[in-house]
Amino acid sequence: SQLAEENPWALSVHEGESVTVNCSYKTSITALQWYRQKSGEGPAQLILIRSNEREKRNGRLRATLDTSSQSSSLSITATRCEDTAVYFCATNYGNEKITFGAGTKLTIKP
Amino acid sequence: ETAVFQTPNYHVTQVGNEVSFNCKQTLGHDTMYWYKQDSKKLLKIMFSYNNKQLIVNETVPRRFSPQSSDKAHLNLRIKSVEPEDSAVYLCASSLQGARDEQYFGPGTRLTVL
Repeated sequence: SQLAEENPWALSVHEGESVTVNCSYKTSITALQWYRQKSGEGPAQLILIRSNEREKRNGRLRATLDTSSQSSSLSITATRCEDTAVYFCATNYGNEKITFGAGTKLTIKP
Repeated sequence: ETAVFQTPNYHVTQVGNEVSFNCKQTLGHDTMYWYKQDSKKLLKIMFSYNNKQLIVNETVPRRFSPQSSDKAHLNLRIKSVEPEDSAVYLCASSLQGARDEQYFGPGTRLTVL
């Protein structure tokens, strides 16, 4: 089974609305990264949040980390059509190990 | 331009053939990776390599092998492809290790007939 999992599997909102993607993980981590993958491209990192941090922001993006419940969230405010993508969480654990979830497919409707 | 480059973009081949995919990074990073992304978008790390150490995911079949001439290049060879090898293969690099931001190439889509 996967060590990291996003939910929901798919999500759709209208442009301008806010949206949140969640991630749960199963092992002790050193850091958690959020990536976005647009169609036909490789993933690109959005935010890296270390295990001793609780929140990180990057423009319209906000990531939270709760190590007690082994969960993270990524919120996007004022969504735009170009935010349409698959969003992954990736957990860093052990000695240089990383695992990705299967992603949440986010669609922003005009 | 500094980035991660992959060739080819697409490759179609028959079961049993050998294929090789190229990856080059011009970011000056020490570590490179190969990932396999299946049709459901699940990303699985196959190899990570820096000039000191090759780390192999133990679930990767032996017909897959990484090949590196220097720290800027990490190619992927598949001997005798199987139908289940059909996927997108993504190359990535990071400054030092997995805890650093990974920069991905655009991927090579392999179809095995």
